[in-house]
Amino acid sequence: AQSVTQLDSQVPVFEEAPVELRCNYSSSVSVYLFWYVQYPNQGLQLLLKYLSGSTLVESINGFEAEFNKSQTSFHLRKPSVHISDTAEYFCAVSSNQAGTALIFGKGTTLSVSS
Amino acid sequence: DVKVTQSSRYLVKRTGEKVFLECVQDMDHENMFWYRQDPGLGLRLIYFSYDVKMKEKGDIPEGYSVSREKKERFSLILESASTNQTSMYLCASSVQKYEAFFGQGTRLTVV
Repeated sequence: AQSVTQLDSQVPVFEEAPVELRCNYSSSVSVYLFWYVQYPNQGLQLLLKYLSGSTLVESINGFEAEFNKSQTSFHLRKPSVHISDTAEYFCAVSSNQAGTALIFGKGTTLSVSS
Repeated sequence: DVKVTQSSRYLVKRTGEKVFLECVQDMDHENMFWYRQDPGLGLRLIYFSYDVKMKEKGDIPEGYSVSREKKERFSLILESASTNQTSMYLCASSVQKYEAFFGQGTRLTVV
C-alpha cells in the first residue's frame, strides 16, 4: 500500500523568504509524485509532477520539487514567496499499476505575510 | 481541456436520506475517484474505479457505495446520510500514472 506524509501542517513565512514544504512517501513499487495547490475557495490544481527522467521538476510560477528515491521524499521549494502563494498544498503519490489509486497527504497550509 | 463536472456545488440533506452525488468526465479516462476533504485531514479516498463496473474501496468506504455503469460517469451514494458525512466531496479522473483532474466539489451538509 502507498502512503504520503506531509511533515508540516502549517508553514508561516514572510514575503520574499524561501520556503520548503516537506513530503515523504511509502511505496513498494515505482511511484509517480505530484504536488497540487488549492487557493482559498477554489478547486485543486496540479502544480508539478514527477513521472520519470530528471529528478528536479519545476512549475511555471517558480516552485520546484526534487524526487529523492533513497530518502523517499519529494519536497517542494520556492526561493522567494509572494503573498499570492498563500494556499494549501497537497502531495500525492500514484503508480503505473492498474487498479492503484492516487493517494494524498493531509496538506500543508502556506501562509505568506508582508 | 479536461472537464470533470459534479452535479451540485451545494447540497443540504436530512439525516437518513439517500443521497446521490454525480460526476461526469469528458476525456475518456479509465480512472475515477471520490474523495472527501475535511480541515486538517486532507483528501481521504472513499472509492475509486479503474474501469466500467469495477470499483475498489478506499480508506473510508463505510456508509458509502458507488456506481460506474458508463465510463464517463461515477456516482457516489450515501445510503443513509448522517451528520458526520457533512463534508466537501471531490470527484477526479485520470489516466493511470498521470495526474488527476478534479471537479469543483460538492459541499454537502446533512442536518
